[in-house]
Amino acid sequence: NAGVTQTPKFQVLKTGQSMTLQCAQDMNHNSMYWYRQDPGMGLRLIYYSASEGTTDKGEVPNGYNVSRLNKREFSLRLESAAPSQTSVYFCASSEGRGPRSVETQYFGPGTRLLVL
Amino acid sequence: AQSVTQLDSHVSVSEGTPVLLRCNYSSSYSPSLFWYVQHPNKGLQLLLKYTSAATLVKGINGFEAEFKKSETSFHLTKPSAHMSDAAEYFCVVSDLDTGRRALTFGSGTRLQVQP
Repeated sequence: NAGVTQTPKFQVLKTGQSMTLQCAQDMNHNSMYWYRQDPGMGLRLIYYSASEGTTDKGEVPNGYNVSRLNKREFSLRLESAAPSQTSVYFCASSEGRGPRSVETQYFGPGTRLLVL
Repeated sequence: AQSVTQLDSHVSVSEGTPVLLRCNYSSSYSPSLFWYVQHPNKGLQLLLKYTSAATLVKGINGFEAEFKKSETSFHLTKPSAHMSDAAEYFCVVSDLDTGRRALTFGSGTRLQVQP
């Protein structure tokens, strides 16, 4: 099993450009997440999807959109990139057996994004 | 609302000496607590988790953590540091009472291991 995979690994954008970060998991998990990691701030949740067909905002959703394409795939789109979106982006997944279940999240290797 | 405070941004130890990474949490109900490790240019890997069973939790690579409700702490320890332990460590809380599955991360502690 590959676990959680992310593409691309690294991307440079100019301000105003758009791009989509791809994430896929092969663990048959229901829930998927997008985080950003900035120095000294840990990881902050951008969006999550508790099940196929549903998405919800996290802590820092502004400037992003997401699509839960199917159970395996969860993409993150930047419509008009800004330098403040320079960050490392992590996708994660968990089994999602219910709101009171205790779940481990499994993380992908990350995408480093630089917006000039 | 839940929150996590990692009390040290950097910790430096010598190889073979004990490791202590400190974490305090705030939660409205009965939290689940995790420690994740991130090696340079890698994703995050789960070290251990507390889920209201035993208060002393053992994880991978010789790490363990003790849940102390009275002190709202979940400190990570290891008796003897190894060079391969050099990484960034994140304390994480998941508050089941909110019904959300999202995690709240601390700001991280960078562990340096000196030879």
